[in-house]
Amino acid sequence: EAQVTQNPRYLITVTGKKLTVTCSQNMNHEYMSWYRQDPGLGLRQIYYSMNVEVTDKGDVPEGYKVSRKEKRNFPLILESPSPNQTSLYFCASSRQGTNYGYTFGSGTRLTVV
Amino acid sequence: GEDVEQSLFLSVREGDSSVINCTYTDSSSTYLYWYKQEPGAGLQLLTYIFSNMDMKQDQRLTVLLNKKDKHLSLRIADTQTGDSAIYFCAELGGSYIPTFGRGTSLIVHP
Repeated sequence: EAQVTQNPRYLITVTGKKLTVTCSQNMNHEYMSWYRQDPGLGLRQIYYSMNVEVTDKGDVPEGYKVSRKEKRNFPLILESPSPNQTSLYFCASSRQGTNYGYTFGSGTRLTVV
Repeated sequence: GEDVEQSLFLSVREGDSSVINCTYTDSSSTYLYWYKQEPGAGLQLLTYIFSNMDMKQDQRLTVLLNKKDKHLSLRIADTQTGDSAIYFCAELGGSYIPTFGRGTSLIVHP
């Protein structure tokens, strides 16, 4: 089944403890992206990647890192999480430059205390 | 930067039609999308329309595009309780990076 898989689905952590949220897609998509969703603010893009070893900042990149060493994986790294990073996070992928739209993962609900 | 605007809430009675509206600013938009997010789930692509089209119909869904006014709408006929969700409008411009609206929460009541 074609899908974007994120792990974990839920995570509670403490301020300052490094964490990684994994994202993997099995559709050979070039484009991958991370979003956070907060009430009243909709989806805000954190980072995106057009292809392997190519990453760019989105609208809210502060406090996050990403890497794209393989086409299928695009992990989101929080080196020193803070409470304002408590949010619902989505990974998405698509073929580049097409009308197919984006396939989203099921989301990771992160709470930083 | 480019912007996509939509109202935050819409409440309709079961069986009525729902119309969710969206405006965008990017004049180079090539594709416009509607996504649906059910509670506890990710976004799912509902439908899309190419910028040179005025209308697209798919079963109970009708998408209307007014390119001159940069206005997109999604009409859901015979709205059911299962249609209750958040609906996101998105546009894809020349940068190939989509811009999403904030989402419209559709509430369907009996």
